Amino acid sequence: QKEVEQNSGPLSVPEGAIASLNCTYSDRGSQSFFWYRQYSGKSPELIMFIYSNGDKEDGRFTAQLNKASQYVSLLIRDSQPSDSATYLCAVNTGRRALTFGSGTRLQVQP
Amino acid sequence: DTEVTQTPKHLVMGMTNKKSLKCEQHMGHRAMYWYKQKAKKPPELMFVYSYEKLSINESVPSRFSPECPNSSLLNLHLHALQPEDSALYLCASSQVSGSIYNEQFFGPGTRLTVL
Repeated sequence: QKEVEQNSGPLSVPEGAIASLNCTYSDRGSQSFFWYRQYSGKSPELIMFIYSNGDKEDGRFTAQLNKASQYVSLLIRDSQPSDSATYLCAVNTGRRALTFGSGTRLQVQP
Repeated sequence: DTEVTQTPKHLVMGMTNKKSLKCEQHMGHRAMYWYKQKAKKPPELMFVYSYEKLSINESVPSRFSPECPNSSLLNLHLHALQPEDSALYLCASSQVSGSIYNEQFFGPGTRLTVL
């Protein structure tokens, strides 16, 4: 079982819709959780982080964490074509480094 | 300043060359990282420096040699690389709070091609 799992996609949503990206992790000791957006040929850009169970909102983005289910998600409201990218879920397992999922490719159709 | 910079942006080298990648941050972060990323794959951790000391080496071949001259700078020295080492090399930095390494910020990367 991979430490951090994501559906590779592509996830295709129409412009203006809500995009829902999901991630599961295997290490119950994981302490912090991150979502990065990566455009093709560019480096990962941090868009959200969450440490506690529940929801965290920042503009059009909401991160949701459920430690009991070992599940973290990212919701993107009012999706725009510029949101089309690969979204990487990353988990800090306490080793002082991040473990990345393989990423979900999001396509927002105009 | 919330930026991590990397030089060069692109590097082409032969298998017998010696070159270095450079990374700099001025955010006061005390942890710095090197990652390697191949196309359509997630970043793969290579090295972690914490307070200028090497804390993690993910069994990286010795042809990659990291160096952290001070808290703002991180180098990756390359020697006798193989074509399969061609990739995007990413530097990142983060704060350190007790046992938790906080969110990492990535530089733009160096696109390395080994001929």
